[in-house]
Amino acid sequence: KQEVTQIPAALSVPEGENLVLNCSFTDSAIYNLQWFRQDPGKGLTSLLLIQSSQREQTSGRLNASLDKSSGRSTLYIAASQPGDSATYLCAPTNTPLVFGKGTRLSVIA
Amino acid sequence: DAGVTQSPTHLIKTRGQHVTLRCSPISGHKSVSWYQQVLGQGPQFIFQYYEKEERGRGNFPDRFSARQFPNYSSELNVNALLLGDSALYLCASSLAVNTEAFFGQGTRLTVV
Repeated sequence: KQEVTQIPAALSVPEGENLVLNCSFTDSAIYNLQWFRQDPGKGLTSLLLIQSSQREQTSGRLNASLDKSSGRSTLYIAASQPGDSATYLCAPTNTPLVFGKGTRLSVIA
Repeated sequence: DAGVTQSPTHLIKTRGQHVTLRCSPISGHKSVSWYQQVLGQGPQFIFQYYEKEERGRGNFPDRFSARQFPNYSSELNVNALLLGDSALYLCASSLAVNTEAFFGQGTRLTVV
């Protein structure tokens, strides 16, 4: 059974900092891994999808890496902004998506 | 293009009642999945449908059921509602199983 852990559970940083969110999973037999953003009470917004054969994916200020063999993924956010404040969720896919509790990020202006 | 649409947005029901939640996937997507998210937790998988067939079921009681229609839209039904069923119910749409998932805005169900 896939289990997902995200560290830290919460993070508060000043605007402009670069930061790293960590995701670990127990079953490396995955098809891909997605990172999502969730604003309070809202649905999930897909940020990045990394295929199992890829090691990295970039979108704007976001960069996600995947080390499938060690069951780890990281999301790097460059030059953080207050608008980045949200909960970030990672979800490895080997049918279905399995989620951890997420990392709650606050970026202070 | 429209994203994933869910209805209703909010719903208040009484214990013991029945509820139906609806989801329309992105055009061309053939897979729909349902998730339950309680406050402070990540989403928990309930069902996945692909080409109108059930492809997976999470650890939820038989009070929960779902179906997918020929136009690939889907319904989630919950019978005999309990207070613990209060949650945000999320629908995800994807081209196929194990491809990128896109979520709707969710239905907030409150059971009183």
